[in-house]
Amino acid sequence: RKEVEQDPGPFNVPEGATVAFNCTYSNSASQSFFWYRQDCRKEPKLLMSVYSSGNEDGRFTAQLNRASQYISLLIRDSKLSDSATYLCVVNNFGNEKLTFGTGTRLTIIP
Amino acid sequence: EPEVTQTPSHQVTQMGQEVILRCVPISNHLYFYWYRQILGQKVEFLVSFYNNEISEKSEIFDDQFSVERPDGSNFTLKIRSTKLEDSAMYFCASNARKNEQFFGPGTRLTVL
Repeated sequence: RKEVEQDPGPFNVPEGATVAFNCTYSNSASQSFFWYRQDCRKEPKLLMSVYSSGNEDGRFTAQLNRASQYISLLIRDSKLSDSATYLCVVNNFGNEKLTFGTGTRLTIIP
Repeated sequence: EPEVTQTPSHQVTQMGQEVILRCVPISNHLYFYWYRQILGQKVEFLVSFYNNEISEKSEIFDDQFSVERPDGSNFTLKIRSTKLEDSAMYFCASNARKNEQFFGPGTRLTVL
């Protein structure tokens, strides 16, 4: 089983729509969770950390379900600039490295 | 806003040659990392560095790889004898605490 698993997509959604991505992780000892976005041939950029209680940042909402080892990202009122690859990232307990999923490709259609 | 910088942006080399990739982490950060991303694949961890020593390395980081912090600002990745399969984007990252890591723009390494 992959350490971090994501649906690779692509997701093609119209501008203004709501889109949701899911991610599962295999290591129950994982402690920190993030969503990064990556534009084509660019570096990953932190979008948001994911907290146990769930958290929101503008149009973006992240949820964590530790029992199911599942993380989600919801994007409301999607913009053309949201087109990117969204990376689910996990950091294991006592371990500094980040473990990345393969990413979910999102394209917002005008 | 402070950022991680990397040079060069693109390095082309012949198989068997040595390359050094350079990074300048954010100035008050203490933890430094190298990751790589082969075209079309996921980002993979190579090595982490703290307090002037390697704190963790992956299976990818074999004897051909080394890291160094030669002065107070630079953090380098050396590949001693490059192979075709070393062709990838190499990202440097740093953080001040053991969570949010910030990535540099990457060096695209092409091994011919």
